[in-house]
Amino acid sequence: NAGVTQTPKFRILKIGQSMTLQCAQDMNHNYMYWYRQDPGMGLKLIYYSVGAGITDKGEVPNGYNVSRSTTEDFPLRLELAAPSQTSVYFCASSSGQGAYNEQFFGPGTRLTVL
Amino acid sequence: QKEVEQNSGPLSVPEGAIASLNCTYSDRVSQSFFWYRQYSGKSPELIMSIYSNGDKEDGRFTAQLNKASQYVSLLIRDSQPSDSATYLCAVKWGSNYKLTFGKGTLLTVNP
Repeated sequence: NAGVTQTPKFRILKIGQSMTLQCAQDMNHNYMYWYRQDPGMGLKLIYYSVGAGITDKGEVPNGYNVSRSTTEDFPLRLELAAPSQTSVYFCASSSGQGAYNEQFFGPGTRLTVL
Repeated sequence: QKEVEQNSGPLSVPEGAIASLNCTYSDRVSQSFFWYRQYSGKSPELIMSIYSNGDKEDGRFTAQLNKASQYVSLLIRDSQPSDSATYLCAVKWGSNYKLTFGKGTLLTVNP
């Protein structure tokens, strides 16, 4: 059971370039989330999904897009990268059941935009 | 705007002492509360969750919840240097499956 996996681990982009951050989970979780974490800050929700084909915006969606074609995968697309998108990106998943609905995190992608 | 507030620290305690981490939240319509530990350069790891008023113990960790005061805390007994990390408080609101995170408290346990 790999849990939540993310690729790549590190990436440097030039301003204006685009890229896709990959996220996959093998726990059959319905709920998946993308967060960004800036130094000294907590996690900010970018987008989330409650199941295949269903996505919604979080707190900071501008400059990002997502899709959810399967239960397992939840890629995050950056179009026209900007220095303000330099951050660490975490993907998380949860079952969506029970009072707790704990979220489990992937290892993160460290992105630098120059 | 739902907010979760934590003292950013750093909180420094000697080895073997009790570390007390605190968190307040802005909205009374809150269901579940979580403490995540995050080592430098790593992803958050869930260590405790609580949704009923009172205390919940798991090994050296105790989570305390007071919904009337909108306050949740984490106590770490017999603190070890390996407990040195940032501790993130997170709150799940109502039936919504999203979490709101605090900025985290940096804990340093000195040998």
